[in-house]
Amino acid sequence: DTGVSQNPRHKITKRGQNVTFRCDPISEHNRLYWYRQTLGQGPEFLTYFQNEAQLEKSRLLSDRFSAERPKGSFSTLEIQRTEQGDSAMYLCASSLIITGEDGYTFGSGTRLTVV
Amino acid sequence: AQKVTQAQTEISVVEKEDVTLDCVYETRDTTYYLFWYKQPPSGELVFLIRRNSFDEQNEISGRYSWNFQKSTSSFNFTITASQVVDSAVYFCALSARDTDKLIFGTGTRLQVFP
Repeated sequence: DTGVSQNPRHKITKRGQNVTFRCDPISEHNRLYWYRQTLGQGPEFLTYFQNEAQLEKSRLLSDRFSAERPKGSFSTLEIQRTEQGDSAMYLCASSLIITGEDGYTFGSGTRLTVV
Repeated sequence: AQKVTQAQTEISVVEKEDVTLDCVYETRDTTYYLFWYKQPPSGELVFLIRRNSFDEQNEISGRYSWNFQKSTSSFNFTITASQVVDSAVYFCALSARDTDKLIFGTGTRLQVFP
């Protein structure tokens, strides 16, 4: 297992279009997280799953955003009717236990540009 | 409310200099965890260290060292004999025991010049 994989690495879309990102966590990790990072800022928590259950959603996650983790494996993050303010790096992370000794393992992210 | 402050936006040093990155946190929790992550230009966040609130012992790992002081709510990170490869954005983060959601600071961009 080579770590957390995110696809695509880059996505350019027109305003109003829908986009979907995928995250494949480390296989034995049961927790999966989504964060958003805008330029010059630290990552901000969006949501997280334990197995297939979505346990917490940030207020940042508007109705246009939806995340799923079917079967507790990979996860998808969909943004509907994209806006220019959605342009950001979307980071996925996974962990095996709460705040494990090695922290989270983050993926390389998907950079979204809405034009 | 939980908050992490990294007051240094950008630091530039010449190779072999020592550099300290500051981190101040706010939390009402008695049990919490502090982290440092490195984000090189490739964008991936690389885990450096995790400390729990009951362990104030300083940690050293090679050229890296961390100073945790609960009295001042600080968790500072020092790189000794900096190298060009240390150039990156460094993030300090905080999480509470009952959730492992991370609260990040705004990061410090470190540039090490040869």
